[in-house]
Amino acid sequence: EAQVTQNPRYLITVTGKKLTVTCSQNMNHEYMSWYRQDPGLGLRQIYYSMNVEVTDKGDVPEGYKVSRKEKRNFPLILESPSPNQTSLYFCASSVGGATEAFFGQGTRLTVV
Amino acid sequence: GENVEQHPSTLSVQEGDSAVIKCTYSDSASNYFPWYKQELGKRPQLIIDIRSNVGEKKDQRIAVTLNKTAKHFSLHITETQPEDSAVYFCAASNVIQFYFGTGTSLTVIP
Repeated sequence: EAQVTQNPRYLITVTGKKLTVTCSQNMNHEYMSWYRQDPGLGLRQIYYSMNVEVTDKGDVPEGYKVSRKEKRNFPLILESPSPNQTSLYFCASSVGGATEAFFGQGTRLTVV
Repeated sequence: GENVEQHPSTLSVQEGDSAVIKCTYSDSASNYFPWYKQELGKRPQLIIDIRSNVGEKKDQRIAVTLNKTAKHFSLHITETQPEDSAVYFCAASNVIQFYFGTGTSLTVIP
């Protein structure tokens, strides 16, 4: 089954404790991206990757890192999480930057 | 960068009526305009999309129109049903980045 898988689904952590949210897709898509969803703000792109080893900042990259060592995986790293990073995070993949994006199930992150 | 504005933020309609959601964008380089539906607690899913070389696209009860000159595009849902209740997001892409609107919460009243 074609899918985008994120883990974990829920995470509560403390300020400053490094964490990684994993994202994996099995559709051989070249384009992958991370979004955060906050009430009233819609989905905002954090980082995107057009191919392996090619990543770039989206609209809200501060406090986040990503890597794209393999085509299927695109982890999101928070080196020192802060409470303002409490949000719902979605990973998405697509054939290209102007094609249908398939979203993962979402990760609800709470930083206390 | 691109700025996508979406209106209204909430919309209530009677079952069977039509619903219209409007979006504007600012970057003339944007050439792909998808619409996503997000049910409560679920992930966004594409319902329809349109490219800049097309003015209108229809899929059963859903249609999207695009006015490149005015930089606006709209989602039209006819004969609404309770299962259409969800949050709808418009988006614009310039091939490199996606920019989403802030969402419209649609409620269809039976």
